[in-house]
Amino acid sequence: EPEVTQTPSHQVTQMGQEVILRCVPISNHLYFYWYRQILGQKVEFLVSFYNNEISEKSEIFDDQFSVERPDGSNFTLKIRSTKLEDSAMYFCASSPGQGATGNTEAFFGQGTRLTVV
Amino acid sequence: GQQVMQIPQYQHVQEGEDFTTYCNSSTTLSNIQWYKQRPGGHPVFLIQLVKSGEVKKQKRLTFQFGEAKKNSSLHITATQTTDVGTYFCAGPRSGGGADGLTFGKGTHLIIQP
Repeated sequence: EPEVTQTPSHQVTQMGQEVILRCVPISNHLYFYWYRQILGQKVEFLVSFYNNEISEKSEIFDDQFSVERPDGSNFTLKIRSTKLEDSAMYFCASSPGQGATGNTEAFFGQGTRLTVV
Repeated sequence: GQQVMQIPQYQHVQEGEDFTTYCNSSTTLSNIQWYKQRPGGHPVFLIQLVKSGEVKKQKRLTFQFGEAKKNSSLHITATQTTDVGTYFCAGPRSGGGADGLTFGKGTHLIIQP
């Protein structure tokens, strides 16, 4: 069964450093997303990406964050100048496309646990 | 902005008892989705409800979408240890074609054998 893959599974970085989280969405999907989940809390939307550009972003997704689809398969989240509060699980998700009645299901990757020290 | 609320935050049940989680949105939703997250895992899609008053069943799970399309519930009959996890409802953030989702805080289901 097709799945969203994320690397690395765990990333430890020093405060102030830049990190790049990588994702390979399901191959025929059109919509890509990044979410984050602080330990024990809810899943929070960061950004959606469609047709090679950002479609929507939340208030969390400020200038510290950027996304890129550098080739036909990878989808990356870059976090510049990391802060302690950026420590969280970051989930990539993809969706095949909008159905006749709106959203279709999102397929989530296993996540990257980012720890900023 | 849009808010999605869920209650209860935690639910302890004995194995075999029923379980219900409730979801309420501050805005009318075009659809609502439910996800399950096992401890240490990632959210896994369960179902999407679209129509006002819709009821869908998946084995022991029953999902309802309210008439006003602002609330929803998930009911599990005769819980099993495999049902352990956090159940999230989620609604589309906006009417755009690439909607992200606003998740509720989830209900943590804890089952005592």
